[in-house]
Amino acid sequence: AQSVSQHNHHVILSEAASLELGCNYSYGGTVNLFWYVQYPGQHLQLLLKYFSGDPLVKGIKGFEAEFIKSKFSFNLRKPSVQWSDTAEYFCAVNADNNNDMRFGAGTRLTVKP
Amino acid sequence: SAVISQKPSRDICQRGTSLTIQCQVDSQVTMMFWYRQQPGQSLTLIATANQGSEATYESGFVIDKFPISRPNLTFSTLTVSNMSPEDSSIYLCSVELARGGYGYTFGSGTRLTVV
Repeated sequence: AQSVSQHNHHVILSEAASLELGCNYSYGGTVNLFWYVQYPGQHLQLLLKYFSGDPLVKGIKGFEAEFIKSKFSFNLRKPSVQWSDTAEYFCAVNADNNNDMRFGAGTRLTVKP
Repeated sequence: SAVISQKPSRDICQRGTSLTIQCQVDSQVTMMFWYRQQPGQSLTLIATANQGSEATYESGFVIDKFPISRPNLTFSTLTVSNMSPEDSSIYLCSVELARGGYGYTFGSGTRLTVV
């Protein structure tokens, strides 16, 4: 079964700093990849997803992620973070042939004003 | 962080029947979320369950179809009622830790197939 690793448990940045959150997965077959965000007291929101095509995926709120198949990675990036980006971020993998969904442990992002 | 036990992990059910999914957490939590992931799609929130109050359902989901119980701060159930093949999905529970702020974790999911 597939698994997901998020390298950073807690990231603290100042406003306008650039962000990159790491995500690696282990699965040899075709995968669908997701990044979700969850603000305190709220449910998950989809930031972006990759199913096929251009490996550089652009999502909402200025986020993007790049699927690098050779590295089994799907890192999330944002060139300039805002205080409102403070939240928890989850990478998720869905193996295409069995529809199992696996989440990473999450990365807490704190952006200081 | 909290550990969630979700069961069953998978089931194959006949149409017209109901299935109850359980979510047990090893610590007290305030909010629990129930999600559905249909084949080839991302997660969709079904409802939010707080202990001691009725669950809050999202647009397109109703209590008669997806009744939820939240009898205490460590447990919740979601029932998928009168199932049809369109209900075949992965169902996930997620919890926000009682300490507030950040800290969310997910159950391992229930893969439901309705035949």
